[in-house]
Amino acid sequence: DQQVKQNSPSLSVQEGRISILNCDYTNSMFDYFLWYKKYPAEGPTFLISISSIKDKNEDGRFTVFLNKSAKHLSLHIVPSQPGDSAVYFCAASAGNMLTFGGGTRLMVKP
Amino acid sequence: DGGITQSPKYLFRKEGQNVTLSCEQNLNHDAMYWYRQDPGQGLRLIYYSQIVNDFQKGDIAEGYSVSREKKESFPLTVTSAQKNPTAFYLCASSVGRDWWTEAFFGQGTRLTVV
Repeated sequence: DQQVKQNSPSLSVQEGRISILNCDYTNSMFDYFLWYKKYPAEGPTFLISISSIKDKNEDGRFTVFLNKSAKHLSLHIVPSQPGDSAVYFCAASAGNMLTFGGGTRLMVKP
Repeated sequence: DGGITQSPKYLFRKEGQNVTLSCEQNLNHDAMYWYRQDPGQGLRLIYYSQIVNDFQKGDIAEGYSVSREKKESFPLTVTSAQKNPTAFYLCASSVGRDWWTEAFFGQGTRLTVV
């Protein structure tokens, strides 16, 4: 039973447009959420995070939105660039445990 | 340069053999973690350690063992009891008990059973 789900395994977007990656969770105890970016054969790198007391966090081209009532978070990338092509994992934390979603492969076409 | 290093990058194992994956960090982090990545399943926690000489099972610990004799090192042994060991293994470290600070990941080890 996956507590963190990314229902879209892949997403294709044109360069310059917005990329929206979605993540749903079931555990109401999660209080901190993170997004990681991963290139093939490399470890994930931290991208952006959000605490459950907020509903939005912005860092440059990246914005994460949290809807606690819907148990849903999303990552917006604007504008999308070819270098953004990677697998994106959302992760949720409850205390000292981190649970990852299955990942979404983003492809940004020139 | 500070960082977290996994070795080897690629590893082949015959069925029935134990194999140990190395993970070393010089970030002075207390907490270290082992994850396994399979297609479509994200990263699943195998074991974690919050302090030297102490470690806890994660979600999929069966068939694996770890040790934490030094703060810098957290090796993972994949035993012959692990039924499906072929996967990409990631080691991570963080400053402390919680994940409020971002985790640092190693480059990963791809293990293939032949």
